[in-house]
Amino acid sequence: GAVVSQHPSRVICKSGTSVKIECRSLDFQATTMFWYRQFPKKSLMLMATSNEGSKATYEQGVEKDKFLINHASLTLSTLTVTSAHPEDSSFYICSARAGTSGGSYEQYFGPGTRLTVT
Amino acid sequence: AQSVTQPDIHITVSEGASLELRCNYSYGATPYLFWYVQSPGQGLQLLLKYFSGDTLVQGIKGFEAEFKRSQSSFNLRKPSVHWSDAAEYFCAVVMDTGGFKTIFGAGTRLFVKA
Repeated sequence: GAVVSQHPSRVICKSGTSVKIECRSLDFQATTMFWYRQFPKKSLMLMATSNEGSKATYEQGVEKDKFLINHASLTLSTLTVTSAHPEDSSFYICSARAGTSGGSYEQYFGPGTRLTVT
Repeated sequence: AQSVTQPDIHITVSEGASLELRCNYSYGATPYLFWYVQSPGQGLQLLLKYFSGDTLVQGIKGFEAEFKRSQSSFNLRKPSVHWSDAAEYFCAVVMDTGGFKTIFGAGTRLFVKA
């Protein structure tokens, strides 16, 4: 099956610094990637949708200047949390989709990245 | 507005007992439906999905789900629960508006008692 990896799995950073999280589709080309945030014991909240080579589309309430998303290739998307603060601490999950042609709407999820800002 | 509802925040069942987790959606057409399971600190694993055709779908780990259009529901079932099934379960839908985004329910935490 399709595999999506995330790196790092855990990161601790100091307040005010930036941290980058990578999301890779290992065995398929992802035309679309999604970034989610999950608070403890809560559901996944979609932050943004990115298509390869295009600017990301952010959900309402998500600061695009704080959460920079780049989808430079069909197998890699990155999320950079800029000037991180403790309230940015969360579990970030990415997912990738090959495309919707042919009726495939399934997303494949990465294992998540636990970000702790001290 | 489109939404996904999982009315049970948590459920406790005895090992070996049957399980049903509820999921309802609000959408004008038939969405594409999924159930995922998440263990603590882990990513999501797809249990099963429904796009069209037979409304009873079989998934991994002995799970099944039934799509009922009249009730806008996609409930997850398992005839005999194992202790390893304890986890968080998310119902999700993909709607063909706004870029086919996946919308998640709030999740149901399953506890299994011996």
